[in-house]
Amino acid sequence: DAKTTQPNSMESNEEEPVHLPCNHSTISGTDYIHWYRQLPSQGPEYVIHGLTSNVNNRMASLAIAEDRKSSTLILHRATLRDAAVYYCILRDSPLVFGKGTRLSVIA
Amino acid sequence: DVKVTQSSRYLVKRTGEKVFLECVQDMDHENMFWYRQDPGLGLRLIYFSYDVKMKEKGDIPEGYSVSREKKERFSLILESASTNQTSMYLCATDPGDYGYTFGSGTRLTVV
Repeated sequence: DAKTTQPNSMESNEEEPVHLPCNHSTISGTDYIHWYRQLPSQGPEYVIHGLTSNVNNRMASLAIAEDRKSSTLILHRATLRDAAVYYCILRDSPLVFGKGTRLSVIA
Repeated sequence: DVKVTQSSRYLVKRTGEKVFLECVQDMDHENMFWYRQDPGLGLRLIYFSYDVKMKEKGDIPEGYSVSREKKERFSLILESASTNQTSMYLCATDPGDYGYTFGSGTRLTVV
């Protein structure tokens, strides 16, 4: 199975940009990279996905390395409401979740 | 927006009871999933379904069964609840080419 590797935790100051890294060195040519986040006491929430090109939406940006072996989720201005666990997943069905990165945001 | 509704937010049941967790989606998605989430173990897949009356075992199906009589409804059944099934249960739907949508979860406590 293709897998991803993320840091266990990261910390950010409020209103600063946050770059959440993900390694997926065994990614295949057709694997989409998906990001989800899970706020406390809620189900995971889809954030963004991409294949090769960088992607932007209202929640975040996704930067994908040229060799596709890594990607970075970018939150442009972290707020306290962005404190969550962020999962980087190679799109499959069913989805397989790793441990993700727990992001803390400091006021 | 797709909505995935789980019937109960919190549930307390006794050991040995038969428990039904209901999940309803308001879109025409073929694929539906049940996960459970425990501290330190992350989300683990219990069962999933790609069509009405179809079901597939996930990674931890023991002690559970499912029912999908209609496309919009996917039920998880604990045949005889045990304390080790105390957990957060999450239902999800998959449109096939986009992100999954999850329900808010049911926190089940078995006493």
